[in-house]
Amino acid sequence: GQQLNQSPQSMFIQEGEDVSMNCTSSSIFNTWLWYKQDPGEGPVLLIALYKAGELTSNGRLTAQFGITRKDSFLNISASIPSDVGIYFCAVMNYGGSQGNLIFGKGTKLSVKP
Amino acid sequence: DAGVTQSPTHLIKTRGQHVTLRCSPISGHKSVSWYQQVLGQGPQFIFQYYEKEERGRGNFPDRFSARQFPNYSSELNVNALLLGDSALYLCASSLQGAKGYTFGSGTRLTVV
Repeated sequence: GQQLNQSPQSMFIQEGEDVSMNCTSSSIFNTWLWYKQDPGEGPVLLIALYKAGELTSNGRLTAQFGITRKDSFLNISASIPSDVGIYFCAVMNYGGSQGNLIFGKGTKLSVKP
Repeated sequence: DAGVTQSPTHLIKTRGQHVTLRCSPISGHKSVSWYQQVLGQGPQFIFQYYEKEERGRGNFPDRFSARQFPNYSSELNVNALLLGDSALYLCASSLQGAKGYTFGSGTRLTVV
């Protein structure tokens, strides 16, 4: 089946550091999304990207939709403790009539000990 | 306004048993989708319902079934539970389709 390759799998952050993660696919997708999931909760949408090459910001978060439509990255600037959690990339799959999401395996952000 | 409500929040079942999970969508949302999230993985699509009809199905065995009621709430049923069915089951609602999903907090199912 279709897969999204998300990296890194995990990373440790120190408050104030910038963070970068990315997601690639072997297939073209026209909608890319980034979600954050906290323990015991469902994923929450952070940024949605609809146009190849598009760069979109949401506060300290910036995401780009790759020009080939096969990749996306998410940057977090000046990280704070509440940024800890699992970040998922996802793409909209229109195989069914109304579409569903395909998720990556996630990038786990933890605080440096 | 209430978000997507799922019940129960946790449950433990024995292999071979049957389970029913419930989801109430955000008021006004007519589309409900179900996802399975195994520990350490991203959510995986199971079903999508819109206006009480199945509109999409993921790669899951026939032991998994679902339905949507006239009030747009939904049930996910799993028969003949296997240990591998242990996961967080997420419900998402939207006005239509996968755009604008809001996820619930999930039901944590443990099969022993």
